[in-house]
Amino acid sequence: AQKVTQAQTEISVVEKEDVTLDCVYETRDTTYYLFWYKQPPSGELVFLIRRNSFDEQNEISGRYSWNFQKSTSSFNFTITASQVVDSAVYFCALSEAGDFNKFYFGSGTKLNVKP
Amino acid sequence: DAGVTQSPTHLIKTRGQQVTLRCSPKSGHDTVSWYQQALGQGPQFIFQYYEEEERQRGNFPDRFSGHQFPNYSSELNVNALLLGDSALYLCASSLSTGGAIDTQYFGPGTRLTVL
Repeated sequence: AQKVTQAQTEISVVEKEDVTLDCVYETRDTTYYLFWYKQPPSGELVFLIRRNSFDEQNEISGRYSWNFQKSTSSFNFTITASQVVDSAVYFCALSEAGDFNKFYFGSGTKLNVKP
Repeated sequence: DAGVTQSPTHLIKTRGQQVTLRCSPKSGHDTVSWYQQALGQGPQFIFQYYEEEERQRGNFPDRFSGHQFPNYSSELNVNALLLGDSALYLCASSLSTGGAIDTQYFGPGTRLTVL
């Protein structure tokens, strides 16, 4: 079974639009971490955020915000006022305390921001 | 502060050959994980090295092996290459903090093409 599901394969928006990338996860562990990474065309995965299972506070960092809801097993990522430089593939990942640093990645969402 | 580096950037091999990929972790990190990312997919965990030993392994055959050196750098070896081994191979480093789930920082990857 897929531990992390990113149902949106590709999203296209026009610059300055807001966009939300969905992430749904599955785990039986009570202690786990969720991550978001950005992969630009260069290929390197860039770390964006990490959130542990005991902290459901939403987080905002500049134009980026994350909404973590354990009740729906979701960890969604919103970009406000998108820019062309936000164009990339975004990955959500899960790591479980019982599985020692093994990251399970979703299949990614490709975001195209058009000028 | 040097990030994760990988070499080579690109590699072309033929079926049946063997390949070695190299990774130097981010300064201060002691743990290296390897991932395989097929085109259009999320990264898949291959294995993780800590204190020069394989600490955890994903669902990959024994053709995939690795090594970690005293300076924490690592190699990934793949024997008897198959066409399906064509992928982007990503190295990630982290600092083991004894039980907590550590954020992994990724290198730019090695693009392996098997003909």
